[in-house]
Amino acid sequence: KAGVTQTPRYLIKTRGQQVTLSCSPISGHRSVSWYQQTPGQGLQFLFEYFSETQRNKGNFPGRFSGRQFSNSRSEMNVSTLELGDSALYLCASSYYGGSPNTGELFFGEGSRLTVL
Amino acid sequence: TQLLEQSPQFLSIQEGENLTVYCNSSSVFSSLQWYRQEPGEGPVLLVTVVTGGEVKKLKRLTFQFGDARKDSSLHITAAQTGDTGLYLCAGISGNTGKLIFGQGTTLQVKP
Repeated sequence: KAGVTQTPRYLIKTRGQQVTLSCSPISGHRSVSWYQQTPGQGLQFLFEYFSETQRNKGNFPGRFSGRQFSNSRSEMNVSTLELGDSALYLCASSYYGGSPNTGELFFGEGSRLTVL
Repeated sequence: TQLLEQSPQFLSIQEGENLTVYCNSSSVFSSLQWYRQEPGEGPVLLVTVVTGGEVKKLKRLTFQFGDARKDSSLHITAAQTGDTGLYLCAGISGNTGKLIFGQGTTLQVKP
């Protein structure tokens, strides 16, 4: 079956702009999580959506937001971009969601954002 | 805040050598996962360990969950160039149910 699809794969923005990233989970998966990956900080949890509801949230500023649609597809938005937002943004879907989450995460290939 | 510390952060070895990667925490995890990430791709799950003291083998990879469920190790026997990648451990908190990732271990296996 098709894996997790993230678009776009690469994008370049300038400071102050906003960006929207998209994630299509594996068919049948209702949980979508977003992570930011940087060389210095590793994989940092942004938020998790399950059945269109945000179930968990990481320690990121309000500039980072997300949503999930009825077909489980998810988007994340970053407003007023800063240089430090440059990172690989990974989306992961899971059959199980919420707490406790013991399901395997299936990751997409990520969206690499560069902020100039 | 629960943290998972991985060591070493970087490892460069010759093909055929053995290696062990460690994942440690002061907190208890209900289960622990190991992922491998290759350049340009997302992490892929290798194994999930649930029971304290559990040992799982995946070909040349051996995973162990500590008796107290606070630590885990990944041992690779006779490493191959195809083992090159970023190895991530991720623990599910016994308190919050959230998945927490370690910083990762970058492994380079040279031919």
